[in-house]
Formats: sequence, C-alpha cells, structure tokens
Amino acid sequence: GDSVTQMEGPVTLSEEAFLTINCTYTATGYPSLFWYVQYPGEGLQLLLKATKADDKGSNKGFEATYRKETTSFHLEKGSVQVSDSAVYFCALAINGGSQGNLIFGKGTKLSVKP
Amino acid sequence: GAVVSQHPSRVICKSGTSVKIECRSLDFQATTMFWYRQFPKQSLMLMATSNEGSKATYEQGVEKDKFLINHASLTLSTLTVTSAHPEDSSFYICSAGRTGRETQYFGPGTRLLVL
Repeated sequence: GDSVTQMEGPVTLSEEAFLTINCTYTATGYPSLFWYVQYPGEGLQLLLKATKADDKGSNKGFEATYRKETTSFHLEKGSVQVSDSAVYFCALAINGGSQGNLIFGKGTKLSVKP
Repeated sequence: GAVVSQHPSRVICKSGTSVKIECRSLDFQATTMFWYRQFPKQSLMLMATSNEGSKATYEQGVEKDKFLINHASLTLSTLTVTSAHPEDSSFYICSAGRTGRETQYFGPGTRLLVL
C-alpha cells in the first residue's frame, strides 16, 4: 500500500545551519506530496506542496522538489532559525488531500539552538 | 483565518468511562471533518471522515461503536470514545475541510490517557 518514510529525529541544529529532512514515498498512483509543520501547542499547518513530478514547493524559505525517479520529496532550508523549531510531517495524497486520504510519515522533530 | 480548535487539550479518565472530544472550526464552515489518531513516534492514522448531517465513514479496522462521531453542524464535530480502555490512550487530532478547497486545517490535538 501507499506509505511515507521520513528520517527519524530529533534533529538538532545551530541557527543559520542548513537543513535537510529526507522523505521518500511509495504510491501506486500519482500522488500529491505535502510537508506539514506542527509548532508546539498548535495544529498541523500546511508548509508546502507539489502536485506533479519536478514541481518545487516553497514557503518561508523551505523548499522541496517532487522527484518521481527517486520517489522523494526532501525538505530543505538554507539557514534555519530558532523559530523553525517544530515537528515536520511529510505526507502524500492521491486525490489532493482534501478528502481525508492523507498518508503521513512519522514526523521529524527539529530543534534549532541559538 | 481557518482556525480549528479542539477541547479538551488533555484528558485523563478511568477505564470504562466515556470521553467526548470536540472539534470546532472557528472562522469557517467545515463541510467535512476528519479524525486522526497518533501513537507515540508513529504516523497520524485517519480514523473516520464525517460530513455535516450524515453518518461518518470509518476506516478499516476502526470500531464505529467504540468511536462515535457526530457532525451536527458546519462548525462542530465530536468524537466520543466509549468505554475507554488503556489501549485507547493516544493523541487524537481533527481536521476540517471546505468544499472546493484542497487544504485541510488541523486542530492542536487532544491527548487522552486512560488509567
């Protein structure tokens, strides 16, 4: 079945360091791919998404490119800030995500130290 | 905009009791609400999908008689865990969607501990 695998955390970085959180997926169809972020005490928020191969999603300095050949959607940011400390979830959906069929990875906790 | 709240944020109950969790869309009408469950260090797993005014659709393996879902209005859905047992202890998260919009909006979650 469809699944998402993301790197286990926690990930601890110093401020201004480069961030990569790996995410790979298995899907029988042509999924849309998402990154969600959960800040402490808050709900999951959509960070970025890509709906087809080679699309790049970007938001708040974060980027991820839909790589069909490697079935990956790695999250990157060139210079992290303390405010980026949160849990990041990679997810996929066959029908765009609005119908509840989001499949999530386990989440990766990021801690950024000043 | 598009804020979803959950109440309570944390609940501890005795085995055999029932617990109700509320999910509210504060500034929009949610035609569809979703309930997820998350075990420690595990993915969020979809439990059920509810549409306002109709019966919820449960995912395979989720007991509908144990996890009662009511979506009585366009801004409120409730999940009742009936006769809770320690194995029901988990983090329950709701999300809400609007007709024609792709994005789901998530609540902050409710942590349930059954003693």
